[in-house]
Amino acid sequence: GAVVSQHPSWVICKSGTSVKIECRSLDFQATTMFWYRQFPKQSLMLMATSNEGSKATYEQGVEKDKFLINHASLTLSTLTVTSAHPEDSSFYICSARGNSGRAQDTQYFGPGTRLTVL
Amino acid sequence: AQSVTQPDIHITVSEGASLELRCNYSYGATPYLFWYVQSPGQGLQLLLKYFSGDTLVQGIKGFEAEFKRSQSSFNLRKPSVHWSDAAEYFCAVGANTDKLIFGTGTRLQVFP
Repeated sequence: GAVVSQHPSWVICKSGTSVKIECRSLDFQATTMFWYRQFPKQSLMLMATSNEGSKATYEQGVEKDKFLINHASLTLSTLTVTSAHPEDSSFYICSARGNSGRAQDTQYFGPGTRLTVL
Repeated sequence: AQSVTQPDIHITVSEGASLELRCNYSYGATPYLFWYVQSPGQGLQLLLKYFSGDTLVQGIKGFEAEFKRSQSSFNLRKPSVHWSDAAEYFCAVGANTDKLIFGTGTRLQVFP
């Protein structure tokens, strides 16, 4: 139980294009989802927190117009990297937390999406 | 400033040997503490967590961790390592389960 998936697992795009990454909770309702960015040999950095049906809360230094987050349902959140540039290349990881049962007090992580911008 | 330090970037042990991965934190109050493991191409899997109560916490896969308030540490231990334990291990802290601060990770390599 408490499985989170991400799609795609990797994506390569040209500079200036937009890329959408999906994060799904497969067997629980995720009232809160989180998006992280992980650089090589560095820790995960929280980008934003989203609650279902509400606007995302972005961490300091994260451009909300560049990293669009939508959490329209209790099982799906999307991260869209708009007008991507090479410096946006990174490993993006989502996590989800539910509001009941086993998923209530822990973040469950997806497998990550490797974004490469050429 | 709030931070998590994992002093060991890379650790190599022989299969069957004991293991201890270090985690030190700087936090204003007693934080929630977590250990996650990340295998290549996979997401982070929760090994164990500490919120309150008994300071020795048992987790999955035979791992345990001990919270030592006086040392601001939450070290992860396993008495006998298996080859399948080779992975990246992350310590994380937070005021609750939401805003987590992660360490930079320790890569564990296991030799047969």
